[in-house]
Parts: sequence; structure tokens; C-alpha cells
Amino acid sequence: GESVGLHLPTLSVQEGDNSIINCAYSNSASDYFIWYKQESGKGPQFIIDIRSNMDKRQGQRVTVLLNKTVKHLSLQIAATQPGDSAVYFCAEKLTGAAGNKLTFGGGTRVLVKP
Amino acid sequence: EAQVTQNPRYLITVTGKKLTVTCSQNMNHEYMSWYRQDPGLGLRQIYYSMNVEVTDKGDVPEGYKVSRKEKRNFPLILESPSPNQTSLYFCASRQQGRGEQFFGPGTRLTVL
Repeated sequence: GESVGLHLPTLSVQEGDNSIINCAYSNSASDYFIWYKQESGKGPQFIIDIRSNMDKRQGQRVTVLLNKTVKHLSLQIAATQPGDSAVYFCAEKLTGAAGNKLTFGGGTRVLVKP
Repeated sequence: EAQVTQNPRYLITVTGKKLTVTCSQNMNHEYMSWYRQDPGLGLRQIYYSMNVEVTDKGDVPEGYKVSRKEKRNFPLILESPSPNQTSLYFCASRQQGRGEQFFGPGTRLTVL
């Protein structure tokens, strides 16, 4: 598969445990945030998003938390499964700026141990 | 199936030989963009297009060209590739007004 990062921070998780992936974003004016999952050899895949007027949003087995005070975003994965092994990226966007460009974080590799 | 497709998936070429990487989406999205992904640098935007005939530079546009003659296609052109353009390239699209971008499978380019 393709290598997306040789020096990524890595989170090792036991199958069945909950995972928490953290992200510090850069622009305090950003108003939209997304989490992407990238499996080896594939393009990033949308997981969940959140707007800046919210501090929590839940999806299927995933929850995103936003703390604007400290510019921090986290992704919680419940009951982590082997299929969750991937690199996870957060991205931020400021609506109306430069074509609504997404700025991506460096990514975190999640390894699920059976 | 709604998707973004890229071709080729893998390409090895030599310095200076012009190449084009095609990108096509079947979701009628207005917005399309190209990214390159390099170890330690994450995803960086090369060019984007808000709609047909509307393109603009991203963060790393040097050495690249794009065109948007049709809504579904957004080819990336390297007129004179150099080794520092060896990278993994992703095309993405999204609907105007929506944040979620859909990514293609990637093109691994090696310039010797």
C-alpha cells in the first residue's frame, strides 16, 4: 500500500477499546472542521464534520468534540475494530476564504491490536 | 456509484516529459481540487476550481497547470516535470456550499 507518512504520531489501541485522536487547528477564525480516514492505498474518506457553532457531534460509533477556546478538535471512536486501522486527518476551513480551502493537519496513525 | 476517478494510478516518467493526470467526477459537483501528499507534509492543495472555466492557485501551484472545460473533468498538467514533483496526487470534488470533499484513489507519480 501507499505510505502516507513516515513520521506520523501513532496511536495503538486494543480491539474493542475506545480511541481518541486529537488535533490542534491553526486558525481561530475557522468555522468548519472535518475528520478524514485514509486507509493504505486509498484516498481520504469523510468520517464526520462539525461547524463552529457546535461543540459536539455524534455519528455512527464516532463523536467529534470541538473546543474553540484552545483550538482543539478530537475524534472518538467507540469499540475500535481492526477496520479502523488507518491514518486520520483533521481539516479546517474558513468559509469564504480562498475558495473555501480545506487546510489539513499532519495526521495520526491508528493501529488496532487484535 | 458516486465517485471520483483518476488516471493513471501509477506513473513513472523522466524529467521534462509533459504529462497529464486526469480526474473525473460523476456527482455534478461544482468544486474540484488537486492535492499532493508527501511524508511529513500532509495534504497540500495545488489548484482548485469553483466551476467551469474558474480556476485558482492553491498553496503549491508552481510547476502545475489545470483546466476546467467541463464540469466533470479537472486534469492536472505537468508541462515539464521535475524530480521534486514525485508525490502522491489526489483529486477531490464537493458540492458548492457543502464542506465534505470526495477524494479519488490517488496517482503515484515518480519523476526520474
